Amino acid sequence: QVQLVESGGGVVQPGRSLRLSCAASGFTFSSYAMHWVRQAPGKGLEWVAVISYAESNKFYADSVKGRFTISRDNSKNTVYLQMNSLRADDTAVYYCARDRTALTYSAFDYWGQGTLVTVSS
Amino acid sequence: DIQMTQSPSTLSASVGDRVTMTCRASQNINSWLAWYQQKPGKAPKLLIYQASTLESGVPSRFSGSGSGTEFTLTISSLQPDDFATYYCQQYNSWTFGQGTKVEIK
Repeated sequence: QVQLVESGGGVVQPGRSLRLSCAASGFTFSSYAMHWVRQAPGKGLEWVAVISYAESNKFYADSVKGRFTISRDNSKNTVYLQMNSLRADDTAVYYCARDRTALTYSAFDYWGQGTLVTVSS
Repeated sequence: DIQMTQSPSTLSASVGDRVTMTCRASQNINSWLAWYQQKPGKAPKLLIYQASTLESGVPSRFSGSGSGTEFTLTISSLQPDDFATYYCQQYNSWTFGQGTKVEIK
């Protein structure tokens, strides 16, 4: 069965960096675009970034553009989110999610359990 | 950027009620719209994609309609398991609405 497991969250000081990982299993990882979505405490969902199945296309929300980088390693079935210059308003649960349709973009049919990132001095 | 606006923000209803919530896009998104259900402390769950296609395993009491800029999610007979927050999302550029919380009346 499809599983997505995030890791790498924690407490970090403002201005520092953190890298999140999402390990995928149960499907042909190299055929699907992957996303990161975040949710600040008590708030709604915010899409963060997407990487196409072959890593040729990457898109970012304006709120993270220039600070966050999404990447993937199809040999390890893992997608990453490198977060630099972290700010207090980056505090959130970060979810990775799979695009439901291979080789294109669509809705998100599988989600990880989320990993909490807290940016605080 | 495409903005998504959901209404109402909170909806109070009873078990067995028919409930409807709305999602409006700031520009035409054709049918590139999904609905998700989220319960506290849990990841969202995909209910509907392509505005009206029910995801596998989702109960048939959920239905979606609309195209262009106005969309609707309907629950035909509210069940105890349906009390949750519902989000719409356009997947042209992946923006979410702010959510509609369905609470017990």
